Amino acid sequence: GDSVTQMEGPVTLSEEAFLTINCTYTATGYPSLFWYVQYPGEGLQLLLKATKADDKGSNKGFEATYRKETTSFHLEKGSVQVSDSAVYFCALSGSNFGNEKLTFGTGTRLTIIP
Amino acid sequence: SAVISQKPSRDICQRGTSLTIQCQVDSQVTMMFWYRQQPGQSLTLIATANQGSEATYESGFVIDKFPISRPNLTFSTLTVSNLSPEDSSIYLCSARNAEAFFGQGTRLTVV
Repeated sequence: GDSVTQMEGPVTLSEEAFLTINCTYTATGYPSLFWYVQYPGEGLQLLLKATKADDKGSNKGFEATYRKETTSFHLEKGSVQVSDSAVYFCALSGSNFGNEKLTFGTGTRLTIIP
Repeated sequence: SAVISQKPSRDICQRGTSLTIQCQVDSQVTMMFWYRQQPGQSLTLIATANQGSEATYESGFVIDKFPISRPNLTFSTLTVSNLSPEDSSIYLCSARNAEAFFGQGTRLTVV
C-alpha cells in the first residue's frame, strides 16, 4: 500500500538557517503530495501541495518539488524564523479530486532558536 | 476553505465509559475522515465516514470500538467505546473536497 517516509526529528536550527526536511513516498499511480504543519496547540494546516510530477508547491517561503524519478517531495526554506517552530507532516493521497484518504509520514518536529 | 468545529476539545474519561466526539463543517463536503494521533506520533486513519451508510474502517479499527455516524454532508460523530488508557490520544476530524481540512482535535485522557 501507499506509504510516506519522512526525515526523523527533532531538528533544531538557528534563525536564518537553511532548512531541508526529506520526504519520500511509495504509491501506485499518480498521487498528490502535501506538506502539513502543526503549530503548538493547534490543528493541522495545509502548508503546500503538488498534484503532478515537477510541480512546485510554495507558501510562506517554504517550497517542495514533486520529483517522480526519485519519489520525493522534500521541504525547503532558505531562511527559517522562530515562528516556523512546529511539527511538519508529509502526506500523499491517491488523487486530488476529494475522494482519497491521506497517508501521513511520522512528522518532523522543528525548533528554531534565536 | 472549510471551517471545522470539533468538540469537545478535551476530556478526561473513566475506564469502561465511552466518549462521543462531534465534528461540524461549515459547508458541504464530499468526504469526512477520523484520525488518531497518539502522543508524539503521526496521524493514523481510523475510518472514512460515509454519508448515509456505514463507515469504512482501516485495518486494526472496528465498528464496535469506534462507531461512526454521518447523517448528512456537514456532520459526523466518532464514539470511542469501552475506554482504556491505551485510547488516550488526540482524535482529529478531517473534511475534504479538493483539499483536506482538519479540526482542532479532541485530546482524550482515560484514567
